Amino acid sequence: DIVMTQSPDSLAVSLGERATINCKSSQSLLSSSNNKNYLAWYQQKPGQPPKLLFYWASTRESGVPDRFSASGSGADFTLTISSLQTEDVAVYYCQQYYSYLTFGGGTKVEIK
Amino acid sequence: EAQLLESGGGLVQPGESLRLSCTASGFTFSTSSMSWVRQAPGKGLEWVSGIGGSGDGISYADFVRGRFTISRDNSKNTLYLQMDSLRADDTALYYCVPNWYCGYWGQGTLITVSS
Repeated sequence: DIVMTQSPDSLAVSLGERATINCKSSQSLLSSSNNKNYLAWYQQKPGQPPKLLFYWASTRESGVPDRFSASGSGADFTLTISSLQTEDVAVYYCQQYYSYLTFGGGTKVEIK
Repeated sequence: EAQLLESGGGLVQPGESLRLSCTASGFTFSTSSMSWVRQAPGKGLEWVSGIGGSGDGISYADFVRGRFTISRDNSKNTLYLQMDSLRADDTALYYCVPNWYCGYWGQGTLITVSS
């Protein structure tokens, strides 16, 4: 089974500052057949289902603000919010879909 | 537009059974590998079980193996989860999603196991 480890568990960032979330998988999520990383990022606000932000590790979902970016390959991935806004307060999850599904434990982002 | 609608949740006592359903629309369900994912109150997302598009490739998380059974009816575009021997720690919101990235989560169906 693929284990996803997110860090930190929570972080408090000042408005307009950068927030960075890390995600490590227990094995590579890079497929040799299509050279794609099977990694997605989600944002979840209280009382709502998760909202897809990125897939294939760095492909932005339609409508996601460009202050959000995602990068990484293999087993190490990063989600960055370049300038934190009030509406970005949420829990963020990484998810692998290389072999069924596994989610990271989540990172709670708050305003400092 | 793709949609997923989960149903069948409710309040049950420990040891009882429940059957969840998930009706899909707006995408080719019969060729889509699907999973159930759950989220306990205040906790993270947890994969429960998955099934291939033709009903093959069934897999379960260790914590439900032997108690839950996943199945599907492609003629009805519906995914099922038969939940037996329910325990208090099965209390959660249950979602169905494709075995892929998902941009169209449903609202989930809430299972509460309590005496």
